[in-house]
Amino acid sequence: QKEVEQDPGPLSVPEGAIVSLNCTYSNSAFQYFMWYRQYSRKGPELLMYTYSSGNKEDGRFTAQVDKSSKYISLFIRDSQPSDSATYLCAMRRVDTDKLIFGTGTRLQVFP
Amino acid sequence: DAGVTQSPTHLIKTRGQQVTLRCSPKSGHDTVSWYQQALGQGPQFIFQYYEEEERQRGNFPDRFSGHQFPNYSSELNVNALLLGDSALYLCASSLDGNQPQHFGDGTRLSIL
Repeated sequence: QKEVEQDPGPLSVPEGAIVSLNCTYSNSAFQYFMWYRQYSRKGPELLMYTYSSGNKEDGRFTAQVDKSSKYISLFIRDSQPSDSATYLCAMRRVDTDKLIFGTGTRLQVFP
Repeated sequence: DAGVTQSPTHLIKTRGQQVTLRCSPKSGHDTVSWYQQALGQGPQFIFQYYEEEERQRGNFPDRFSGHQFPNYSSELNVNALLLGDSALYLCASSLDGNQPQHFGDGTRLSIL
C-alpha cells in the first residue's frame, strides 16, 4: 500500500465548475501538506502549503486538511481552461524534508 | 528573481553510460533536493544537500550521487545507466529545508 493515494483521473469538467481534488494517506506523522500544479513538460508549481489541520484559502483555491481522517482536499472555484494540468498532493513529517507525493490527478477544464 | 534553473533540458544516453545533471537554486535558497519522476507517477525523493553535505537520502542505489557547491548549486550524477533510469529529474530548492520546496522544470533523461 502506498503512503499517499491519489486518483489519477482524468477529471473532465466544464469551465466555471467547482473542482474537488483529494488525497488520502496512511502515515499519521505527516504534518505539512502541499498541493502542486504541473503543466505538461514543466516542473511542479507550488499552489498551497499548510501545516497540520484546517483550511487555507488563496484566491480561487482552498486547501483542507482533516488529520483525523487522513484526508486532504483542494477545491478550485470558477475553474478555467488554464487550470488544465496535473495536480500533485505532497506531504512530509516535521523531522524530515523528504516530500512524499501522490501520483497526481489530471484535470481537464473544457470551454 | 530567478527561480530554480536546471540544465540540460533533455538528454539522451545509452545503457552503461554516466550522466551529470545541474541545478541552480532559487535566489536566497541554500538547500537543494533531487527527485525522479517516472511517466504518470509522482516525484520520488533521491537525496537532499545542505551546506555541501548530503543530509537525507531516499531509496535509491549508490549509482546516484550528488554534490553541492559553495554557491549552493548542485549536481546529480548517475553511473552505469539502466533503461529504468529514464525519467524526468527534478531539482527543488528551499531555505534550510524547513520551508516550501520550489521546483525547476527538470531534465528529461532518455536511456536507449
